[in-house]
Amino acid sequence: GAVVSQHPSRVICKSGTSVKIECRSLDFQATTMFWYRQFPKQSLMLMATSNEGSKATYEQGVEKDKFLINHASLTLSTLTVTSAHPEDSSFYICSARDVLAPLPTYNEQFFGPGTRLTVL
Amino acid sequence: RKEVEQDPGPFNVPEGATVAFNCTYSNSASQSFFWYRQDCRKEPKLLMSVYSSGNEDGRFTAQLNRASQYISLLIRDSKLSDSATYLCVVIAMEYGNKLVFGAGTILRVKS
Repeated sequence: GAVVSQHPSRVICKSGTSVKIECRSLDFQATTMFWYRQFPKQSLMLMATSNEGSKATYEQGVEKDKFLINHASLTLSTLTVTSAHPEDSSFYICSARDVLAPLPTYNEQFFGPGTRLTVL
Repeated sequence: RKEVEQDPGPFNVPEGATVAFNCTYSNSASQSFFWYRQDCRKEPKLLMSVYSSGNEDGRFTAQLNRASQYISLLIRDSKLSDSATYLCVVIAMEYGNKLVFGAGTILRVKS
C-alpha cells in the first residue's frame, strides 16, 4: 500500500509553545489529507480535512485558530498546534488517499505513524 | 445512535481459534467499508477493504450485508500476532468521503 510519513514521532514541549507536525505522502499524490487525534483508550477523532491549495475544513468543535493546517503541495500537509496546553497532549495521526488510484481502491486511506505530543 | 457500532470486547481466544466480529452502521447511503487493525500506541493499518458482498484474504474473511447494514470480520486459525484492536470504518458521500470509525473491538489471542 501507499506510504505516509509523519515527523516528528514524539514531541515533549512546555505549555504555551507551538508545535508543527508534518505529514508526507511518499510515493503518491494526495490532494486531500486528514488529521486525527486519539486520546488513550478512545477511537480516532477527525479534526480536519486538509485540501491542497485551499483552506482546511474543520470538524465541529475544533478551533481553526489553534490547529493551523497548511497543505502547500500534493505531498505535504502540516498541522501546527499553537500555544499548546496540557489538554492538547494526544496522539495526532494523519492519513491520505491516492487520488490516482483506480476504483475500488480509490477510497482507501493510509495512515502515518502518528505523533505523540506531550505538553508539560 | 452511533454511526458505526462495534462490540468493544475484549475477545479472549486461544491460538488456532476462529473468531468473528460484527459492526453495524446507521447510514444506509454508506458506500465503502473497511477493516483496519490498530496495535497499541500505533497508527491504524488497513487490513481489508470490503467489496460488494464480501471478500477473503488468507485467514481473514469480510462480509457485507447492506440490507441489514452490518459488516463482519472472520479470523480463522488465530495467531498471537493477531492480538490488536480491529476498527470498522465506513465512508458515505454525505460525509464528504471522510472515514467514520467504530470504537474498535479488542482481540487477545493467548497461547
